[in-house]
Amino acid sequence: GQQLNQSPQSMFIQEGEDVSMNCTSSSIFNTWLWYKQEPGEGPVLLIALYKAGELTSNGRLTAQFGITRKDSFLNISASIPSDVGIYFCAGQEMKYGQNFVFGPGTRLSVLP
Amino acid sequence: DAGVTQSPTHLIKTRGQHVTLRCSPISGHKSVSWYQQVLGQGPQFIFQYYEKEERGRGNFPDRFSARQFPNYSSELNVNALLLGDSALYLCASSFQTDTYEQYFGPGTRLTVT
Repeated sequence: GQQLNQSPQSMFIQEGEDVSMNCTSSSIFNTWLWYKQEPGEGPVLLIALYKAGELTSNGRLTAQFGITRKDSFLNISASIPSDVGIYFCAGQEMKYGQNFVFGPGTRLSVLP
Repeated sequence: DAGVTQSPTHLIKTRGQHVTLRCSPISGHKSVSWYQQVLGQGPQFIFQYYEKEERGRGNFPDRFSARQFPNYSSELNVNALLLGDSALYLCASSFQTDTYEQYFGPGTRLTVT
């Protein structure tokens, strides 16, 4: 099956800083989703992207669907302590219907 | 409105046993998907069901099976448990198969000893 790569694997930032993370694939996806997962909970949907080049915001979060359809980016502005968690990207394979492929996650720690 | 609910929250089983995990989707959602999340990794797709029919299957052995009921709730069954089946099992629901926004439940933590 297809695999996604996420970078960085983990990051430690100061409260108030901006955060950037990305997700890449060797294959084309026609949908990208970004999730956040906190310990003991299921992933929570943050942003959904449906078209190449699309830029979508949700509060302090902004995500972009890469032009090549093989990557996506998530930015968090002015980070706060509650941003701590693991951020997963997920892509829908064009060939296989509704099953989504998830990346390994980026673990974000926010230092006060 | 209630979100996706899963039961039980935690479960400990012995190798070779069978387990059944349950999921109730968000009211009005007709599609349920199951994922396995091993510690330190992202969720891995197991099954998708819509209107009681299987619409997608991931790369998992036949020991894994699922079904969806008329009220759209779902069960995931795993036979002949292996140590490697220890994971968080997540259920996600969406309105229909062509809606890409899926919402996850809190998961069932399965430990196989």
